[in-house]
Amino acid sequence: GAGVSQSPSNKVTEKGKDVELRCDPISGHTALYWYRQSLGQGLEFLIYFQGNSAPDKSGLPSDRFSAERTGGSVSTLTIQRTQQEDSAVYLCASSLVGGTSGGIRSEYFGPGTRLTVT
Amino acid sequence: AQSVTQLGSHVSVSEGALVLLRCNYSSSVPPYLFWYVQYPNQGLQLLLKYTTGATLVKGINGFEAEFKKSETSFHLTKPSAHMSDAAEYFCAVSFYNQGGKLIFGQGTELSVKP
Repeated sequence: GAGVSQSPSNKVTEKGKDVELRCDPISGHTALYWYRQSLGQGLEFLIYFQGNSAPDKSGLPSDRFSAERTGGSVSTLTIQRTQQEDSAVYLCASSLVGGTSGGIRSEYFGPGTRLTVT
Repeated sequence: AQSVTQLGSHVSVSEGALVLLRCNYSSSVPPYLFWYVQYPNQGLQLLLKYTTGATLVKGINGFEAEFKKSETSFHLTKPSAHMSDAAEYFCAVSFYNQGGKLIFGQGTELSVKP
């Protein structure tokens, strides 16, 4: 596709339920990032995938959060046993190459998934 | 610890006036610097970035920013504000040894008065 797409655009769930958020990166982009945007915390890094390397999970706030990236393309962020503080907009971004060798590439962001936990 | 501080959560200017959004960072290693804009109910769009070379960087929509190492700053400016510039602006940094992940400031909401 032309840009990063995310689904669903909005998700309302009850406290304690599990949710899955999907990200389709730009075709050919090897790096994929998840961020969370909330009123109290601003924009926070969650997790980063680069090619076949082990993901950088340093931003995940708890073990209820996990993410996968299948076939080097689509990624799914899963939140188990959702809590009200998980309510936020979850943003996905992709870039052509990660910056580990100093070759910084621009990250392209999707429109986000707005998660509301009631 | 690495961090980004944006001075002023809300900035209001008149149409045609100078826009100045402030960003300072804290880091022990040289950063890469970015400004992103977010329009209501949309994702983030890159305005401009500094990686190496010329410290004055020009971006889209007439915005520019200057990296001042001595001041650890990367302020965003535009000579003449337009109504369509009303949005939230985020300053961010990344580092060569951290895979490109971005550390964001808290954001500055820009309002433009007619």
